[in-house]
Amino acid sequence: GAVVSQHPSWVICKSGTSVKIECRSLDFQATTMFWYRQFPKQSLMLMATSNEGSKATYEQGVEKDKFLINHASLTLSTLTVTSAHPEDSSFYICSAEALAGGRDTQYFGPGTRLTVL
Amino acid sequence: SQQGEEDPQALSIQEGENATMNCSYKTSINNLQWYRQNSGRGLVHLILIRSNEREKHSGRLRVTLDTSKKSSSLLITASRAADTASYFCATEASNTGKLIFGQGTTLQVKP
Repeated sequence: GAVVSQHPSWVICKSGTSVKIECRSLDFQATTMFWYRQFPKQSLMLMATSNEGSKATYEQGVEKDKFLINHASLTLSTLTVTSAHPEDSSFYICSAEALAGGRDTQYFGPGTRLTVL
Repeated sequence: SQQGEEDPQALSIQEGENATMNCSYKTSINNLQWYRQNSGRGLVHLILIRSNEREKHSGRLRVTLDTSKKSSSLLITASRAADTASYFCATEASNTGKLIFGQGTTLQVKP
């Protein structure tokens, strides 16, 4: 089946630093990738939709200058949390939609746990 | 904005019993999907039911969809301790194609 990886799986950083999270589709091409955020004991909230070769589309309330998304290839999207603060601590999950076949299913990565001290 | 509502929020049952979780949504959908998430881990896709389907089975899972009531249910039969996890429904919105997740049901199966 389709596999999506994320790197790193967890990261701890100091307040004010920037953190980059990678999302890769390992065995398929994905024109569209999605970034979600999940706070403890809550559901997943869509942050942005990332399309290869174009600017990401952000959901209402998500700061595009703080959460930089780059979708440079059909297998890689990156999310950079700039000037991270403790309130950005969360579980970040990406998903990828396959280029071929039906677009019903998003394949999810294992998530990245970000802790900002 | 989140459109999925799930109930119950938490469910505790004994091993061998059946577990039923419900999901309601607000807008027109292409499909509805159920996911499982173990604590602190990623999502596992369980089953997808399209808007023109009413019931679907996969192993011990049974999903129903009532588009007139904008609701779905997930039934796990003969539960096992390993089924302990959070379960989320997610709807793919017809107009945007985006997945909107429900708040989730935390299931505990006691051995």
